[in-house]
Amino acid sequence: DAGITQSPRHKVTETGTPVTLRCHQTENHRYMYWYRQDPGHGLRLIHYSYGVKDTDKGEVSDGYSVSRSKTEDFLLTLESATSSQTSVYFCAIGQPNTEAFFGQGTRLTVV
Amino acid sequence: EDKVVQSPLSLVVHEGDTVTLNCSYEVTNFRSLLWYKQEKKAPTFLFMLTSSGIEKKSGRLSSILDKKELSSILNITATQTGDSAIYLCAVEGKGAQKLVFGQGTRLTINP
Repeated sequence: DAGITQSPRHKVTETGTPVTLRCHQTENHRYMYWYRQDPGHGLRLIHYSYGVKDTDKGEVSDGYSVSRSKTEDFLLTLESATSSQTSVYFCAIGQPNTEAFFGQGTRLTVV
Repeated sequence: EDKVVQSPLSLVVHEGDTVTLNCSYEVTNFRSLLWYKQEKKAPTFLFMLTSSGIEKKSGRLSSILDKKELSSILNITATQTGDSAIYLCAVEGKGAQKLVFGQGTRLTINP
């Protein structure tokens, strides 16, 4: 398995609170991605990074921010969680022209 | 905007049947198409296709890309209950550095 770890694996939080999810890799891959998965929508890209401090938005970036201060860590922050952000969040890593490898996912519930 | 559509969204068959899953796409400057299998947790990589007409094969699974028709199929022969999963198709455009996924096909194999 690719060395990719997400934390926490499960989280329940209240509406309006900030939440940070962490993705850590030991593969030294250049690209890192955050996706969310909801029934009927497959995987939708939130943000991605193509290097330290280099990030860009995906198709569902509203309400989310990211940071990548070192190669191995990619953080996803929900500034003020809403119920619509209840989802399963997957981190992925990849290199140019190769497949992406996924973490085990974080199940986030906003109540 | 890049787009991937999979069909059918759901499929139920009996063990031993052969199934064909479809993926069609619209992407700027196509680079590759990927298939993933997702059971309980993280999607796992199956195939990457870049050239039209060349079949990729792994055991009972095979996939082929048709760049003229902007589509791909995933075939599974002699299905087993362990093939039950969500099958995800994704495309990458040149320079895009990101994967765009379809909604997925939920395949259920009944004994």
